[in-house]
Amino acid sequence: GEDVEQSLFLSVREGDSSVINCTYTDSSSTYLYWYKQEPGAGLQLLTYIFSNMDMKQDQRLTVLLNKKDKHLSLRIADTQTGDSAIYFCAERVGGYQKVTFGTGTKLQVIP
Amino acid sequence: DGGITQSPKYLFRKEGQNVTLSCEQNLNHDAMYWYRQDPGQGLRLIYYSQIVNDFQKGDIAEGYSVSREKKESFPLTVTSAQKNPTAFYLCASSPQSDYGYTFGSGTRLTVV
Repeated sequence: GEDVEQSLFLSVREGDSSVINCTYTDSSSTYLYWYKQEPGAGLQLLTYIFSNMDMKQDQRLTVLLNKKDKHLSLRIADTQTGDSAIYFCAERVGGYQKVTFGTGTKLQVIP
Repeated sequence: DGGITQSPKYLFRKEGQNVTLSCEQNLNHDAMYWYRQDPGQGLRLIYYSQIVNDFQKGDIAEGYSVSREKKESFPLTVTSAQKNPTAFYLCASSPQSDYGYTFGSGTRLTVV
């Protein structure tokens, strides 16, 4: 089956790095995504990684993929108060329409 | 600017009523989706459509209906058969590619 799990909550101090973790169960995932949701809003695609990559960096964001352990992480460097939001990981298995979302991790940034 | 628009932002439904949530996109995307979001449960897929005049049930389709008469539009009807409709509803669209989904800003439905 397709299950994507995340811890529900993470609290960090402004300026520190945040690491949000995600585990998935389907080894045939092709793409993995990170989305950000601010309060009362829709989801915004932050970044994605193809399953044959180990790492992808985009400015303050670093995505690490460990296929052996089916583990995906999102590191946010120099976390700012504007990064406070819910972060969802998602996996695509098969076609572009087959995307499963995780439960979301609420990131709280303390000034 | 291209985007995806959901309306209304807030909607109140009485017991036994059907309500329709609107979703319109001008991104020329082929596929559109409806998700339901409940606290602590992430997003659950209700229905999706890959092309006009075609749609498929997602994981929680019971009590919902959709139509796809135009590429730009994918309205969702929450029927009286949906026993627990209070939730945040998100519409999304995507091209037939790998670049992820574009989401609308959501509709919060409350049963009163």
